[in-house]
Amino acid sequence: GAVVSQHPSRVICKSGTSVKIECRSLDFQATTMFWYRQFPKQSLMLMATSNEGSKATYEQGVEKDKFLINHASLTLSTLTVTSAHPEDSSFYICSARAFPAGWSEAFFGQGTRLTVV
Amino acid sequence: DAKTTQPPSMDCAEGRAANLPCNHSTISGNEYVYWYRQIHSQGPQYIIHGLKNNETNEMASLIITEDRKSSTLILPHATLRDTAVYYCIVRPRDTGNQFYFGTGTSLTVIP
Repeated sequence: GAVVSQHPSRVICKSGTSVKIECRSLDFQATTMFWYRQFPKQSLMLMATSNEGSKATYEQGVEKDKFLINHASLTLSTLTVTSAHPEDSSFYICSARAFPAGWSEAFFGQGTRLTVV
Repeated sequence: DAKTTQPPSMDCAEGRAANLPCNHSTISGNEYVYWYRQIHSQGPQYIIHGLKNNETNEMASLIITEDRKSSTLILPHATLRDTAVYYCIVRPRDTGNQFYFGTGTSLTVIP
């Protein structure tokens, strides 16, 4: 299958600072990327959908001004957690779908463990 | 909005077949059944998907009932590395629709 890479895999930041997470599709072009959040012992919760070159669509209850998503190219999307607080500590996962949509499955990154102290 | 029901947990002896069921009684005609798994602290891994015919690949087999209201993922010879949470998802194939995850089945392969 195709490879989606996230960076960093782990990050610790101080409360009130911002942190950026990168998601790259390494061997295919991704028209659409998805960002998920997962708290311990819970399932993945979709946060937003981003299409290359357009604004992200956020799920209900997700603050778009707090979780900034940029999908500037067909191989890169970034999630910036602004003014992070301890309750933002979570496992953040991105996924990507191929362009053209010859593959119907989405491929997932390895996840980023964010800890806000 | 997962649209699927799975048992919360299952055990399987190493070397035996693991059969993971999924109910999707409200599945629409254009919706496929996808299976992913998530090993602890990793991103989900794609396993297999199908519409109505049974499917097999190097990882698993997918058996879909004739009425498409349920399916079973089969890992033919489970190993300890197959211990993971397995998610069954239904969604249309060729759309930009997102993958919504339910609670999945936590499979433990026992030595």
